[in-house]
Amino acid sequence: GESVGLHLPTLSVQEGDNSIINCAYSNSASDYFIWYKQESGKGPQFIIDIRSNMDKRQGQRVTVLLNKTVKHLSLQIAATQPGDSAVYFCAGFKAAGNKLTFGGGTRVLVKP
Amino acid sequence: NAGVTQTPKFRILKIGQSMTLQCAQDMNHNYMYWYRQDPGMGLKLIYYSVGAGITDKGEVPNGYNVSRSTTEDFPLRLELAAPSQTSVYFCASSLSPGVDNSPLHFGNGTRLTVT
Repeated sequence: GESVGLHLPTLSVQEGDNSIINCAYSNSASDYFIWYKQESGKGPQFIIDIRSNMDKRQGQRVTVLLNKTVKHLSLQIAATQPGDSAVYFCAGFKAAGNKLTFGGGTRVLVKP
Repeated sequence: NAGVTQTPKFRILKIGQSMTLQCAQDMNHNYMYWYRQDPGMGLKLIYYSVGAGITDKGEVPNGYNVSRSTTEDFPLRLELAAPSQTSVYFCASSLSPGVDNSPLHFGNGTRLTVT
C-alpha cells in the first residue's frame, strides 16, 4: 500500500546552520507532497508543497526537493532559528480518493 | 477569523462511555477531516467529508461515527470508548485539498484519554 515515511526521528541543529529533513515514499501515486510543522500542543501547520511533476520548490527560507527516481523528498531550512524547533511531517496527497497520508515525523531541535 | 475550532481541549473517559468531539470552521471550506495522532506518530485519517451531507471512511474509521449536517460543523462521535482510542484528535478543513495555496488548516486538537 501507499506509505510515506521518514529516515531520522530526531535532528539536532546549531542555530544559524541549515537543516535537511528527509522523507521516503513507497508509492508514486501521490499528486502532491506536503511538509507540515507541528509545535507542541498545536495542530500541524502547512509549510510548503510540491506537485509530483516538479523537482524543486522554494519558499521563504525553505526548499523542498523531490527525487522521483529514488522516491525521496527533502525539506531544507536555511539559517535555522529557535522558532524552527518542532516536529516536521511529510505527507502525500492523492486526488483520487481525496486522501492525505502522513509519515511518522522528525523532531528538529535547534541548539543556541 | 477563528479558523478551525475544536472542543473540548482535553477529556478523560471511562471505558464504555460515549462522547462527541466538536469541530467548527468559519472559512466556508467544503472539505473537512478527522485525524488521530498517537504519541510520536503521524496522523491517521478517521473520516472525511467533501461537503454537507457527504461523509466517507478514512484509514481507521472503526469505533467512530461522523455527520456533516452543515458546511461549518463536523462532529466526531465515539459510542463505546476503548483504551485504544486514547489519542490526540485533530480536525482539519480545506477549500480544495492538494491545490496550490489551499492547504489543510488544522485545529489545535482534542487530547482524549480512555481509562
